[in-house]
This record gives sequence, structure tokens and C-alpha cells, in this order.
Amino acid sequence: AQSVTQLDSQVPVFEEAPVELRCNYSSSVSVYLFWYVQYPNQGLQLLLKYLSGSTLVESINGFEAEFNKSQTSFHLRKPSVHISDTAEYFCAVSPSSYQKVTFGTGTKLQVIP
Amino acid sequence: DSGVTQTPKHLITATGQRVTLRCSPRSGDLSVYWYQQSLDQGLQFLIHYYNGEERAKGNILERFSAQQFPDLHSELNLSSLELGDSALYFCASSGGLAGEDEQFFGPGTRLTVL
Repeated sequence: AQSVTQLDSQVPVFEEAPVELRCNYSSSVSVYLFWYVQYPNQGLQLLLKYLSGSTLVESINGFEAEFNKSQTSFHLRKPSVHISDTAEYFCAVSPSSYQKVTFGTGTKLQVIP
Repeated sequence: DSGVTQTPKHLITATGQRVTLRCSPRSGDLSVYWYQQSLDQGLQFLIHYYNGEERAKGNILERFSAQQFPDLHSELNLSSLELGDSALYFCASSGGLAGEDEQFFGPGTRLTVL
């Protein structure tokens, strides 16, 4: 069995400030990790994913996440947020050998002007 | 645009009724997933179909059923509707069964049960 924990349900942050959205997972097998983003009134879309190799993965809009196997974490960070980053962010995990995605409960990022 | 289409966008109905939500996956995708998103329960996985066969079930009520047709589109049937079934229902698709496959989400169907 696998699970994903996003401890923060809401994170308010001022524009241009840094942000970290936390994600911890548990699994008895090797996993792939994902961050999805849901903008208001839209479906989820993939932000970035870790499959293998470098533990630091980046998205095209300035977010990055670091896979930490010893701490079973995959926190999402951005050094300077914009108003347009206001959205809900979901961490997800899947076994590497087959698709069975488990989503976290989501973290709502509210960027304050 | 994810390439996944869902109809209808909005649905308003009464308790006790039955509705059908439709999903067309991205061209070439064989897997279809259904999710329910509500304010109190968050994003809940309902069911996964791959190439017409059920692969996994999540928190899907017995009043709900789904199927995937030979042309790979899928339908989610919700019956004996209750007020608590009001939610956003998302369909997602992916290429196959690989762990690294990205899921592409449709825009959702907003169901309101009055």
C-alpha cells in the first residue's frame, strides 16, 4: 500500500516571496512522484515528475521539487511566487512497476498581492 | 487543452434521479480514470478502466457504475442520487499502465443534486 501526506491544506504567501509545499509519502516499493496543479475552475495538470536520476526536478514555470528518499519527501518549492501561481497543488505517487496513482489531499496556495 | 473531453459541463438534477457522465480520452490513450472532487472529501479516486476492462476500484459507491466502450470512451452512471453526491467529477486518461504515465484530466462535470 502507498499513501501521500500533504500536511498543509492552505498556504498563504505574499507575492515575490518564496514558498515550500510539503509532501511526504510512504510505500513498500519503488515509486515515481508527481506534482499536479489545479487552477481555478480547471482540471488537474502535471507540473513536474520524478522518475529517476537527478533528485531535483524542475518545471517550466519556476517550480522545483527534490526527491529525498531517506526522508520519503518530495517537497515543492518556488523562490518567488506570482499571483498567477494561485492554485491547488496535489502531490501524487505511483509504483514504478505499474500505474496506481495515489493523490494527496491537496494544498491551496494563495498568493497575496 | 488536455485533449480529454467531458460532457456535460454542468448537470443539475433532483435526489433519487440517475445521470450519466461521459468522457472521451485523448487520442491513443487506453486508460481512463474517474475522480470525484468535493469540498469536504477532496479528490477521491473512483475507478480505472484499461482498454475496456476494469483495472482498479477506489471509493466508488454501489450506486455508481462505469464502463469503457470499444471506442475507448467511458461513461460514469450515478443512480439514486443524494445531496451528498453533488461534486465535480473528473475523468483522466493516460497512455497505458506504466507507472510513469502522466494522467491528463478533462475539465470536469459539475453535478448539483437538489
